[in-house]
Amino acid sequence: DGGITQSPKYLFRKEGQNVTLSCEQNLNHDAMYWYRQDPGQGLRLIYYSQIVNDFQKGDIAEGYSVSREKKESFPLTVTSAQKNPTAFYLCASSSRTGGGETQYFGPGTRLLVL
Amino acid sequence: KQEVTQIPAALSVPEGENLVLNCSFTDSAIYNLQWFRQDPGKGLTSLLLIQSSQREQTSGRLNASLDKSSGRSTLYIAASQPGDSATYLCAVRIFGNAGNMLTFGGGTRLMVKP
Repeated sequence: DGGITQSPKYLFRKEGQNVTLSCEQNLNHDAMYWYRQDPGQGLRLIYYSQIVNDFQKGDIAEGYSVSREKKESFPLTVTSAQKNPTAFYLCASSSRTGGGETQYFGPGTRLLVL
Repeated sequence: KQEVTQIPAALSVPEGENLVLNCSFTDSAIYNLQWFRQDPGKGLTSLLLIQSSQREQTSGRLNASLDKSSGRSTLYIAASQPGDSATYLCAVRIFGNAGNMLTFGGGTRLMVKP
């Protein structure tokens, strides 16, 4: 059953703590993306990766970091430098970045600050 | 910078009504435009993708149109049903050397009452 999985569904962060959100896909897609969604708003791009071992900053990369060591995995770390991390985080993937292909989305992770 | 606006932000209609959701974008140099559905606390599901050379796309009771020159797209839902209740997001894809970038509108939250 192909798709994108994100874990955990809910994540709680304490002040000054780094937390990592998982995103895995078995669609054999080259490109992966991380978006942030605030209540009542659209999605904003945090980071994207076109290929393994390469990634680029999106519109709101400050306070976040990523890695792309495997094609299937694109974890997002929310660092202590991100002062307003409470949001819904969505991961997506597409077969490639240059052809306008549809992005497929995971179910999301809701991050809350304690 | 591309900006995408969706009006109205929320809409409540009785079951059976035909309805139109609006999406406007500031830069007409888009690669394509996509409509998504998002259920509460869930990821996004792609509904329709319109290439820049196309005028409309249809899927079942859904019809999306694109007028690139005026920077507008509409999503028409025929004979609405309670199961159509969700948030509908439009996103435009700009094509550049940075990748397959999507810019999202803020969404229209639709409620269809039985």
